[in-house]
Amino acid sequence: GENVEQHPSTLSVQEGDSAVIKCTYSDSASNYFPWYKQELGKGPQLIIDIRSNVGEKKDQRIAVTLNKTAKHFSLHITETQPEDSAVYFCAARRNNNDMRFGAGTRLTVKP
Amino acid sequence: SQTIHQWPATLVQPVGSPLSLECTVEGTSNPNLYWYRQAAGRGLQLLFYSVGIGQISSEVPQNLSASRPQDRQFILSSKKLLLSDSGFYLCAWRRGDRVVVRTEAFFGQGTRLTVV
Repeated sequence: GENVEQHPSTLSVQEGDSAVIKCTYSDSASNYFPWYKQELGKGPQLIIDIRSNVGEKKDQRIAVTLNKTAKHFSLHITETQPEDSAVYFCAARRNNNDMRFGAGTRLTVKP
Repeated sequence: SQTIHQWPATLVQPVGSPLSLECTVEGTSNPNLYWYRQAAGRGLQLLFYSVGIGQISSEVPQNLSASRPQDRQFILSSKKLLLSDSGFYLCAWRRGDRVVVRTEAFFGQGTRLTVV
């Protein structure tokens, strides 16, 4: 089955700096890669996603890149703000029901 | 618009007691439904998914079971809880029709279960 690894497990940045979280996946048949943000005590919320036929996608301060050959994808947050502090999860899905999550990255943005 | 409700938000249960967590989805029909567990400091582990009433697929063998008595209702159960069942349980849904524009999953707010 699919195995998703996520790094780093914790990340601390100064407000205004950029943050990058990286994930690798094992199943070359995976074709959908969402990123979720989970605030304390809440369920994960989708923030951005990318399909395997796209190499990069951007939404305001958030961007995701995908390298299918290397089987890795990354989340980039620019101009970080304290409200960006949360746990971020990457995921990879092969079919409609098999979505595997990374272990999560706790991002802390220091004001 | 679609919404997902999950309850209770927190639950403390003794070892050996039964469990029933409920999840309902509104504003859509024939959704795919999922139960995930999140252990402290770890990622999300898929426990069960369902593509229709009475159709349950289990990802990992364990002390838990799931049922889907109605189209938009998904229940997670246990007859006898173990200490290791403690965790944060999340219900999620996705559009179940074949023609989907977006394929993301939407999560409920979660249930924090503590088995004592």
